[in-house]
Amino acid sequence: GDSVTQTEGLVTVTEGLPVMLNCTYQTAYSDVAFFWYVQYLNEAPKLLLRSSTDNKRTEHQGFHATLHKSSSSFHLQKSSVQLSDSALYYCALINQGGSAKLIFGEGTKLTVSS
Amino acid sequence: NAGVIQTPRHKVTGKGQEATLWCEPISGHSAVFWYRQTIVQGLEFLTYFRNQAPIDDSGMPKERFSAQMPNQSHSTLKIQSTQPQDSAVYLCASSPDWASAETLYFGSGTRLTVL
Repeated sequence: GDSVTQTEGLVTVTEGLPVMLNCTYQTAYSDVAFFWYVQYLNEAPKLLLRSSTDNKRTEHQGFHATLHKSSSSFHLQKSSVQLSDSALYYCALINQGGSAKLIFGEGTKLTVSS
Repeated sequence: NAGVIQTPRHKVTGKGQEATLWCEPISGHSAVFWYRQTIVQGLEFLTYFRNQAPIDDSGMPKERFSAQMPNQSHSTLKIQSTQPQDSAVYLCASSPDWASAETLYFGSGTRLTVL
């Protein structure tokens, strides 16, 4: 079945530096969309950005991600992190031709230090 | 719009007891999902309803977990004979588009602790 892998459970970055959170996936389907959800402490997860177009950069709130079907990846990046970016980040996919449910990865906790 | 409402926020049960978790989706949303959140597994899909009908329960442990949606304003997740490994945050989410539930609106979750 479909799966999403986030290899880093915890990432610590100094404020002002760049960050990349890894996300790879496995799916047998071509009609698939990809997402990043963010969960701040004591809050509910919420959508950060979405993409379904290969090799097209998607941006929101200073973060960006590019879907690369050739490498089955959808990494999340930011050029200069802020303290307020500290949160739990989940990568997810949905098979638009099948059951309409989001499949999430294990999550990556990003901690930004001053 | 109050968002997705989940009650209780915290629940503590003894091993072997029953736990019922409640979810009120956003009014007008036709799809309701249940996920389980743990540090190790992340967000695990449990089950979902579309227009109150059960669509996919492939993530539900079959023997002790059950979910219902008796009307469009609430859904329940029931865990019978709770075990310590059931301890987790249970998140309910709703989506306005039943055809492709891409944008999920999550509740704040119920933290279940089984002693």
